[in-house]
Amino acid sequence: EVQMVESGGGLVKPGGSLRISCATSGFTFTSAWISWVRQAPGEGLEWVGRIKSKASGETRDYAASVRGRFTISRDDSKDTVYLQMNSLKTEDTAVYYCSTEYYDILKYWGQGTLVTVSS
Amino acid sequence: DIQMTQSPSTLSAAVGDRVTITCRASESISNSLAWYQQKPGKAPKVLIYKASTLEGGVPSRFSGSGSGTEFTLTISSLQPDDFATYYCQHYNSYSRTFGQGTKVEIK
Repeated sequence: EVQMVESGGGLVKPGGSLRISCATSGFTFTSAWISWVRQAPGEGLEWVGRIKSKASGETRDYAASVRGRFTISRDDSKDTVYLQMNSLKTEDTAVYYCSTEYYDILKYWGQGTLVTVSS
Repeated sequence: DIQMTQSPSTLSAAVGDRVTITCRASESISNSLAWYQQKPGKAPKVLIYKASTLEGGVPSRFSGSGSGTEFTLTISSLQPDDFATYYCQHYNSYSRTFGQGTKVEIK
């Protein structure tokens, strides 16, 4: 069974940093492409970014709203993906989901972790 | 960047109704479109990909159509479990873009 578990969310001040994690199991992580998607309270879904597998060059792509502030990384020895968020703004407040990609489809999702940016 | 626009934003319907949601792309995206269903407090679930291919395990009352810039998601006979928010999503080699969502409410 595929499992994806986000963790590390919490309260952070504007301008601060936070790293959240996505621990996975039940599939071949080394081959997986993983996306982060966020959802502000009461709002719709926003794609944040994606990291490809090492075999695909470990390429990272980001939404314009977070490019230069957020960085996605992966640790294949731990089957875990990370989202490092710097220079956080109040508008980054959201539930952050990680999701595996199968042929461009966001197929398996975690339960999400809440990041609140507030003074 | 390609923009995705869904209509309507909210839809009121009764059990048994036929429901259609539209998604328009700001430029042609061929058939690179997926549809997701999300219930409150839950992660989204993929329903359809490549505009019209039903994901495994999804009931056949869901169907998708379209190509280029205009796409539709149809629920042929709305069931109680279908009251949720639906999102279209474009995908290409370097990004993904969601529509703003359509909430299907009980009439």
